[in-house]
Amino acid sequence: QKEVEQNSGPLSVPEGAIASLNCTYSDRGSQSFFWYRQYSGKSPELIMFIYSNGDKEDGRFTAQLNKASQYVSLLIRDSQPSDSATYLCAVRNAGKSTFGDGTTLTVKP
Amino acid sequence: DTEVTQTPKHLVMGMTNKKSLKCEQHMGHRAMYWYKQKAKKPPELMFVYSYEKLSINESVPSRFSPECPNSSLLNLHLHALQPEDSALYLCASSQPLLGSSYNEQFFGPGTRLTVL
Repeated sequence: QKEVEQNSGPLSVPEGAIASLNCTYSDRGSQSFFWYRQYSGKSPELIMFIYSNGDKEDGRFTAQLNKASQYVSLLIRDSQPSDSATYLCAVRNAGKSTFGDGTTLTVKP
Repeated sequence: DTEVTQTPKHLVMGMTNKKSLKCEQHMGHRAMYWYKQKAKKPPELMFVYSYEKLSINESVPSRFSPECPNSSLLNLHLHALQPEDSALYLCASSQPLLGSSYNEQFFGPGTRLTVL
């Protein structure tokens, strides 16, 4: 079992729809959780982080964390073609970040 | 300034060359990281420096040698690399590993390394 697993994708949604990205992790000691967006050939860009159970909203993005279920998700509302990228889930414990393999999202105009 | 810079952007080197990658941040972060990323794979942690001291080495081969001369700079010295070491090398920084609740990492643009 991988330490951080993401839904395999690719995920395709129409413009204006909600994109839902999921991530599960195995280390119960994990303390903080991050979502990065990575365009092809570019470096990861931090878009959301969450530390406590529940929801955290920032503009069109909502991160959800459930530590009991070891699950973190990212919702993107009103998806735009510019949201088309690979989304990486990262889980941190004691300074070490472990990344999932990423989910590639395509938003079709 | 919320930027992490890396030089060079691209590097081509032979297996007998010695080269260095450089990373700089001016966000006052006291933790800095090197990652390696192969195509269509996630970043893999190589090294972590905390307060200019090496705190994590993920069993990286000795042909990669990190150095943290001060709190703003991080280098990665390369020697006798193999073609399979070709990858995107990413630097990141964050607040200190201890004593801070908020430790999100910010990545630099990366150095695209090709070993011939």
